[in-house]
Amino acid sequence: TQLLEQSPQFLSIQEGENLTVYCNSSSVFSSLQWYRQEPGEGPVLLVTVVTGGEVKKLKRLTFQFGDARKDSSLHITAAQPGDTGLYLCADSSYKLIFGSGTRLLVRP
Amino acid sequence: GAVVSQHPSRVICKSGTSVKIECRSLDFQATTMFWYRQFPKKSLMLMATSNEGSKATYEQGVEKDKFLINHASLTLSTLTVTSAHPEDSSFYICSASLRRGFSYEQYFGPGTRLTVT
Repeated sequence: TQLLEQSPQFLSIQEGENLTVYCNSSSVFSSLQWYRQEPGEGPVLLVTVVTGGEVKKLKRLTFQFGDARKDSSLHITAAQPGDTGLYLCADSSYKLIFGSGTRLLVRP
Repeated sequence: GAVVSQHPSRVICKSGTSVKIECRSLDFQATTMFWYRQFPKKSLMLMATSNEGSKATYEQGVEKDKFLINHASLTLSTLTVTSAHPEDSSFYICSASLRRGFSYEQYFGPGTRLTVT
């Protein structure tokens, strides 16, 4: 059974700071997706990465996929309160296997 | 595009009763939908895969007789929590799957908050 561990579990930072969260898998990803979920809502897809070493940018968010396709990082530059939420990585094949999640709080 | 709705958004029921939650893909057809459960401040746990026109596939540890899933059409899947108990209280989220290239993208509903008293 694949295990996806995310770290840190919880992160509280001041607006304007940079941060990085991590996702590590016990096995190679089929493809990896990052989601953000706000309280009381369903997750929203941020990005899909498929190729080892791939880097994708989405405004202030930078996603990196490890060369061995077993780990990934999400870096946020100049965090804003609107970035607050639960960040989830997931192995995406036919079905999604979600990581343990990182809860991010950006204080104004 | 790719909007998924759930109904109801919140429901309170008494122990022993059954509750039905609907998941609809509004602007696309989904042969496969998924049901997840989420505890407070935790990640999503896949409960079952719902396939149109066939029986659902349940994940290990999920009671199929307690969580009845029906996928009667390409745009509707329902989850019925039977003989609900307080420990069934949770946030239930559905998703509908779209294949894009070599990967699948799932679009999530807004979730249903179930409280069993």
